[in-house]
Amino acid sequence: DIQMTQSPSSLSASVGDRVTITCRASQTISTYVNWYQQKPGKAPKLLIYAASTLQGGVPSRFSGSGSGTDFILAISSLQPEDFATYFCQESYSFLQTFGQGTKLEI
Amino acid sequence: QVQLVQSGTEVKKPGASVRVSCTTSGYTFNNFVISWLRQAPGQGLEWMGWISTYNTNTNYAPKFQGRLALTADTSTSTAFMELRSLTSDDTAVYYCARDRRGLDYSKPFDYWGQGTLVTVSS
Repeated sequence: DIQMTQSPSSLSASVGDRVTITCRASQTISTYVNWYQQKPGKAPKLLIYAASTLQGGVPSRFSGSGSGTDFILAISSLQPEDFATYFCQESYSFLQTFGQGTKLEI
Repeated sequence: QVQLVQSGTEVKKPGASVRVSCTTSGYTFNNFVISWLRQAPGQGLEWMGWISTYNTNTNYAPKFQGRLALTADTSTSTAFMELRSLTSDDTAVYYCARDRRGLDYSKPFDYWGQGTLVTVSS
């Protein structure tokens, strides 16, 4: 099974900061990575697919990069509504495993 | 707009079965696969399986083989998830999600239901 390891597991930042979240796959997976945002008590929301393609309606301050085993989600200027938990997901394997999440806190 | 609306909270005893519905609107039901995922309290997300709403083909994660059944009713644009032989380890929020496999190679889940809490307790 492919393991997706996110770092950090939690992150404190301020409005206006630029932050990056890293996801490392246990084997090479090309660009088969998607990123989601989840707020407490809510369903996940798709932000980025295919490692770097912004989902429609998602603000351009979100961006994704990477290929192979290392992937990054970046938020260029944090807004109050961005404080949430972020998950990466690989879709290379049958099980489509998720990372354990990164909680972004004020 | 695209919406997936799930049925409500369930409380079940160990050994019982649960059936969760996912009623969709705002798009052509037959054009997209529906995946089911779950999230145990305070935990990450786990993909369980998918169903093609076009031909009702299904595919299940190995750990759920034999006790998970996914079905779909095209007349009501509704997908269903039934999980049998429940244990306390099945306590989780269950989500349906529209799955873009066949449309995007990275098969993202682009719209999600609101989630259904299933609690298994004696």
